[in-house]
Amino acid sequence: EVQLLESGGGLVQPGGSLRLSCTASGFMFSRQDMCWVRQTPGMGLEWVSGISASGARTWYTDSVKGRFTISRDNSKNTLYLQMNSLRAEDTAVYYCAKDSPRTSGYFFFDHWGQGMLVTVSS
Amino acid sequence: DIQMTQSPSSLSASVGDRITITCRASQSISTYLNWYQQKPGKAPKLLIFDASTLQSGVPSRFSGSGSGTDFTLAISSLQPEDFATYYCQQSYDVPITFGQGTRLQI
Repeated sequence: EVQLLESGGGLVQPGGSLRLSCTASGFMFSRQDMCWVRQTPGMGLEWVSGISASGARTWYTDSVKGRFTISRDNSKNTLYLQMNSLRAEDTAVYYCAKDSPRTSGYFFFDHWGQGMLVTVSS
Repeated sequence: DIQMTQSPSSLSASVGDRITITCRASQSISTYLNWYQQKPGKAPKLLIFDASTLQSGVPSRFSGSGSGTDFTLAISSLQPEDFATYYCQQSYDVPITFGQGTRLQI
């Protein structure tokens, strides 16, 4: 059974940093691209970032470029999101999401973590 | 960025009804269109990928169609567990983008 267990969320002040982690099990983590997706009541679902299976390629939505860094440790089956210079508008539930096996196109997600709340507020 | 627009934003229906939800892309995305179901407090669940392929384990009352810019999710014979919010998502290009959601209410 595929499981994605997220940790690291919480309350942080504007301008602060937070590192999210997602520990995977039940599939060959090192062979799958992975992503972070966030959700706010006002903005709905928003893709944040993606990383290739090897970690060699990364992608970001414009609003987080230069502030967030996605990475992975395939020896630990763990995905990370380092979030710096946090803003109030980064407040959301953050999901770790497993890319579905595909032969073309970009990411779509056959498994999701349970989600964790990140609140940016003073 | 590719904009995804769903309609309607909300929909009221009854058990046993057939409903359709529409998703329109701001440019052609071939069949790189996916549908998710989300219930309150839970993560989204993949229902359909590549516009019309049913994800394993998803009931056959769900179906998807379309290509290019216009897509449809249909649910035949609504069941009580189908009342949820539905999202479309394009996987044609990055940034990946989602529709704003359609809330299906009893």
